[in-house]
Order: sequence, then structure tokens, then C-alpha cells
Amino acid sequence: AQTVTQSQPEMSVQEAETVTLSCTYDTSESNYYLFWYKQPPSRQMILVIRQEAYKQQNATENRFSVNFQKAAKSFSLKISDSQLGDTAMYFCAFIKSNTGNQFYFGTGTSLTVIP
Amino acid sequence: DGGITQSPKYLFRKEGQNVTLSCEQNLNHDAMYWYRQDPGQGLRLIYYSQIVNDFQKGDIAEGYSVSREKKESFPLTVTSAQKNPTAFYLCASTIRRTSLNEQFFGPGTRLTVL
Repeated sequence: AQTVTQSQPEMSVQEAETVTLSCTYDTSESNYYLFWYKQPPSRQMILVIRQEAYKQQNATENRFSVNFQKAAKSFSLKISDSQLGDTAMYFCAFIKSNTGNQFYFGTGTSLTVIP
Repeated sequence: DGGITQSPKYLFRKEGQNVTLSCEQNLNHDAMYWYRQDPGQGLRLIYYSQIVNDFQKGDIAEGYSVSREKKESFPLTVTSAQKNPTAFYLCASTIRRTSLNEQFFGPGTRLTVL
């Protein structure tokens, strides 16, 4: 079975500072995909960033970047220059490459950006 | 505008009643999903469908039923057999052909059992 663990239920960061959200996963697969989703107070789920496991290079999307450590099965999200609009729940998600697109989600980290 | 719509946004049900949550997408996506979201538990998969007239149980299918008669529609029925149905329900869809594609989510339905 695949599991995704987010060990930080809540975090806070000062505006303009940098914060890192942790995610670990457990799988016996060699090829898979990882995602970070954001759920703001509106509860609309929004994709933040994605990573293909076979790619060594860490994905980056503007202020968001990941630290993907395949051997350690770790996939952390770094948010630079935090903004008030980054306040949200963040979910880490995993999908195997050869399945019917079944996603496995972590329990989420609630991030608050403090002005 | 392409996207996923869920209706209603808020739904109240009396105990013992069945209720159906609507999910429609105009993205021409093959696969559709229903998730349940409870505080502290993240998203749990209820049912998913990869093609019309076919669907599979997820991790918490008991007390729920679905149908997929049209590609764009994937309604979820919460039956009276579901012991604790009060939750936030999210519908999602994705192109099936490659796993790299993200899941697109609807705005959700908040179901409350009175």
C-alpha cells in the first residue's frame, strides 16, 4: 500500500520569509509522480507544483520549489518570500505511474502567513 | 470556461434519507473521482471512474454509490447506510492517458446530516 505522511499539522511563517513543509511517502514503485496541492479558505484545491520521480532535477514554480530525495522518499515544499495569500492547507499527493490515476493524499499542513 | 461544477454547495439531510451530490465537468476528461474530506484526515477516495459505465471502489466506498452514464457526469449518492455522512465532498477529474496530469477539483459540497 502507498502512504503519504505530513508530520506538521500546523505551521506559521512571517510574511516575506521562507518556510518548508515536509512530506514523506512509502512505496515500492520505482516510477511515480508527486504533487503539492493548496487549499485556501475557499476550499478550492489548486495545484502548486509537480515532480516526476525519474527526474533528478527538483521542480520549481516561481516562489515554490521542492526538495525531492528519492532514496529517502522525501518530498518537501519550500515557499520563498511568503505572502498573505499563501495561507492555506497544503496537501502532498502521490500517484503511481501505471495505475488508473489513483491519487494518495497526506493529511495536510495548515500554513498561516503572519503579516 | 472549462471546469468542474458541483452542486449544491451546502446540503442538509435528515437521518435515514438518501441524497445525491452532483458533479459535472466540461474538460473532456476521462477519469473522475469522489473524495471525502474530514478535519485532520486529508482526502479519502470514495469512488473513481476511468471510463463511462465503469467505476471502482476507493478506500471508503461503504454507504456510497455512483454512476457514470455520461463522460461529463459522475453523481455520488450518499445512502442511509453511511453511518457518519457529515463531511466536505470533493469531485475531481483528470485526463487518463498519463499519470503526470494533475487532478482538477470542483468547489466541493458540504453535507450536513441533521
